[in-house]
Amino acid sequence: AQSVTQPDIHITVSEGASLELRCNYSYGATPYLFWYVQSPGQGLQLLLKYFSGDTLVQGIKGFEAEFKRSQSSFNLRKPSVHWSDAAEYFCAVVFSGNTPLVFGKGTRLSVIA
Amino acid sequence: GAVVSQHPSWVICKSGTSVKIECRSLDFQATTMFWYRQFPKQSLMLMATSNEGSKATYEQGVEKDKFLINHASLTLSTLTVTSAHPEDSSFYICSARKGALAEAFFGQGTRLTVV
Repeated sequence: AQSVTQPDIHITVSEGASLELRCNYSYGATPYLFWYVQSPGQGLQLLLKYFSGDTLVQGIKGFEAEFKRSQSSFNLRKPSVHWSDAAEYFCAVVFSGNTPLVFGKGTRLSVIA
Repeated sequence: GAVVSQHPSWVICKSGTSVKIECRSLDFQATTMFWYRQFPKQSLMLMATSNEGSKATYEQGVEKDKFLINHASLTLSTLTVTSAHPEDSSFYICSARKGALAEAFFGQGTRLTVV
């Protein structure tokens, strides 16, 4: 079955520390992959996306993500977290064609001083 | 860029009334629009997919008579919550797709509170 999994419900990191949020998908081919961020009570902001080509994707706000086909993963990373990065992060996948985005359950990021 | 505007951003209504939420693609034609619902501290759950000029396709468990979706033009889709009840209170988000591209663009969301 097609699915997207974010194994970590909540992560706490210290300001300035590095961050990695995990995302795995289950699909027989390479899907289209996205990471979104949502602040409380707000809509979604696209951080980055992967369709094809270079497997290391740069996004906004200093985020990057690496697509690893062998692991069916698309993990989000940031080398140095800022307090303003505290939010909910969603991995999303389009499995094929004109099908809708399927969202992971999200990872809530807390940043401590 | 591709901008999707959702209106209103928040609404409070009385139980039993109906509420309409609009989703507009401002600078592109959206052949497909999607409506999601998000409960507090949860992920986005797809409610329905609407294609311009045709009936919406609802996900399993979504009452199509309660959540009426109209996609009358290539730039506008509406979601009407009919006979709203407190359990319909939620955050509703629309997204619009430009042609055959996989990427969809999201509105700001609508916070619906039914009292």
